[in-house]
Amino acid sequence: KAGVTQTPRYLIKTRGQQVTLSCSPISGHRSVSWYQQTPGQGLQFLFEYFSETQRNKGNFPGRFSGRQFSNSRSEMNVSTLELGDSALYLCASSLGTPANEKLFFGSGTQLSVL
Amino acid sequence: GNSVTQMEGPVTLSEEAFLTINCTYTATGYPSLFWYVQYPGEGLQLLLKATKADDKGSNKGFEATYRKETTSFHLEKGSVQVSDSAVYFCALIDFSGGYNKLIFGAGTRLAVHP
Repeated sequence: KAGVTQTPRYLIKTRGQQVTLSCSPISGHRSVSWYQQTPGQGLQFLFEYFSETQRNKGNFPGRFSGRQFSNSRSEMNVSTLELGDSALYLCASSLGTPANEKLFFGSGTQLSVL
Repeated sequence: GNSVTQMEGPVTLSEEAFLTINCTYTATGYPSLFWYVQYPGEGLQLLLKATKADDKGSNKGFEATYRKETTSFHLEKGSVQVSDSAVYFCALIDFSGGYNKLIFGAGTRLAVHP
């Protein structure tokens, strides 16, 4: 069974640009969540999608958005990039049923904003 | 709000030494607790979990016991190997407002030398 796939693996952008990251969950998983990992702030929850609906959202500005398609694949978009957006962005998938779910993480997309 | 605090690293040990990584949490309810591990260049992998007080999670020689009275979930291993070198994250599931929102500690880097 294929794992969680995130593309691209590395990305370099400049301030003011926008970027789209992609995540393909494990087959059969309907929930996709996104996390930002930085040396200073650690791992922070961005948002979670289930069956194309955003169920939960972290404390990030509106520049960060996402969506989920009918095949459960998800994209995350960051507009008007800032230097502080440089981070490893991790996607995790799960079946999406409540309580004590095991999340499967992808290897992440390393975003560098210059 | 809910939070997780874990000991700062790096932790440097010789092979076959005993490992303890401390983790304490603050939560309003009864969260489920997790330890995740991140190897260089990879995403996070679930190491073990515990869903209620006095539960012991175990995997690959690692153990952690959910202690409600001390709000702790310390990670232990009796004899570490070089291959255990990684960053370890303690986390809890926050069910307030939705599913699958993990709250992570800052991470503890472990380096094991031969």
